[in-house]
Amino acid sequence: GAVVSQHPSWVICKSGTSVKIECRSLDFQATTMFWYRQFPKQSLMLMATSNEGSKATYEQGVEKDKFLINHASLTLSTLTVTSAHPEDSSFYICSAIPGRELWETQYFGPGTRLLVL
Amino acid sequence: QKEVEQNSGPLSVPEGAIASLNCTYSDRGSQSFFWYRQYSGKSPELIMFIYSNGDKEDGRFTAQLNKASQYVSLLIRDSQPSDSATYLCAVKGSSGSARQLTFGSGTQLTVLP
Repeated sequence: GAVVSQHPSWVICKSGTSVKIECRSLDFQATTMFWYRQFPKQSLMLMATSNEGSKATYEQGVEKDKFLINHASLTLSTLTVTSAHPEDSSFYICSAIPGRELWETQYFGPGTRLLVL
Repeated sequence: QKEVEQNSGPLSVPEGAIASLNCTYSDRGSQSFFWYRQYSGKSPELIMFIYSNGDKEDGRFTAQLNKASQYVSLLIRDSQPSDSATYLCAVKGSSGSARQLTFGSGTQLTVLP
């Protein structure tokens, strides 16, 4: 149980294009989903918190107009990197929480590698 | 500023030995604590969580929590080469964005055959 999928797993795009990444909770309803970015040999950096049906909460320093998050249902959240540039190349990982208890942990998707040329 | 500190390593142990990974956190009101393992190029996977003082054992893994010292550790007994990975300590906040996890920078563990 508690499986989270991401699509695509790899994407290569030209600078200036937009890229959409999907995050799905396959066997549970996710009250909250999170989006992280990880650069090589660095830890996870939280980008935004997404609750179904409401606007995402972005961390300081993350441009909400550049990283568009849509949490349309309890099983799907999308991250769109608009006008991507080479510095946006990174490993993007989503996670989802099935419940609201203290011990409820985040279950991570397999991640999406983005390379912007 | 919520902080989670880990020794970055690398930590090397011989196969069969006990690996000890340590983590300290700054938010005294933190409620629950998680250890994740991340293989190179992969996303994190949950190993254990703990939210009460003391020890919690699961197979070869033991998590230890000392809230007074704001310290959490992970012991891996009978270490195997397949345990070689980066181990991330994560702390769940006490209020506000209480559902978020704050991650440490991770400790890279290498188990030598």
